[in-house]
Amino acid sequence: GDSVTQTEGLVTLTEGLPVMLNCTYQSTYSPFLFWYVQHLNEAPKLLLKSFTDNKRPEHQGFHATLHKSSSSFHLQKSSAQLSDSALYYCALSGDTNAYKVIFGKGTHLHVLP
Amino acid sequence: GGIITQTPKFLIGQEGQKLTLKCQQNFNHDTMYWYRQDSGKGLRLIYYSITENDLQKGDLSEGYDASREKKSSFSLTVTSAQKNEMAVFLCASSIQGRDTQYFGPGTRLLVL
Repeated sequence: GDSVTQTEGLVTLTEGLPVMLNCTYQSTYSPFLFWYVQHLNEAPKLLLKSFTDNKRPEHQGFHATLHKSSSSFHLQKSSAQLSDSALYYCALSGDTNAYKVIFGKGTHLHVLP
Repeated sequence: GGIITQTPKFLIGQEGQKLTLKCQQNFNHDTMYWYRQDSGKGLRLIYYSITENDLQKGDLSEGYDASREKKSSFSLTVTSAQKNEMAVFLCASSIQGRDTQYFGPGTRLLVL
């Protein structure tokens, strides 16, 4: 079945350094991939969503590229900000059941001053 | 814009008790979801409903029942609360399966 694997646990880095959170997936066909972000005491909200036409989605300085050859959708940002500290989820909507969205276990990003 | 409301915000129950969590959305979305959030385990799908009167089991449905009373509301019942259980239950809605999911603030459950 469909599955999502992302960098687990805590990622700590200093403000200004680049961010990369890994996400790889297993899916039979061509899934849609998402990144959701959850700040402390808030609800998760959509950060990025993959496009069908290979465009690279970008939002708030974050971007992610869907690489079908390596089944990956890594989240990147060139320069981390303190406000980026949050829990990040990679998620997949498969081709066999578009409604059943599979979430990864989440990665905590902690940005230090 | 719209909003998702979850009640109650906090729920304390006793072992073996049946507990009901409620979710309301005013987006006019067809699809609604219930997830359980545990630290280190991500968001796990309990039940979802593609449209009014539809119910589909997720990967974590055992021990839970759900009800889609009308398009705007989706309830989740813990059929028998487990002692020392502690989790956050998140409700979400979307237009369709591959669209953005909008999440509610969550219900925090503690079972004594």
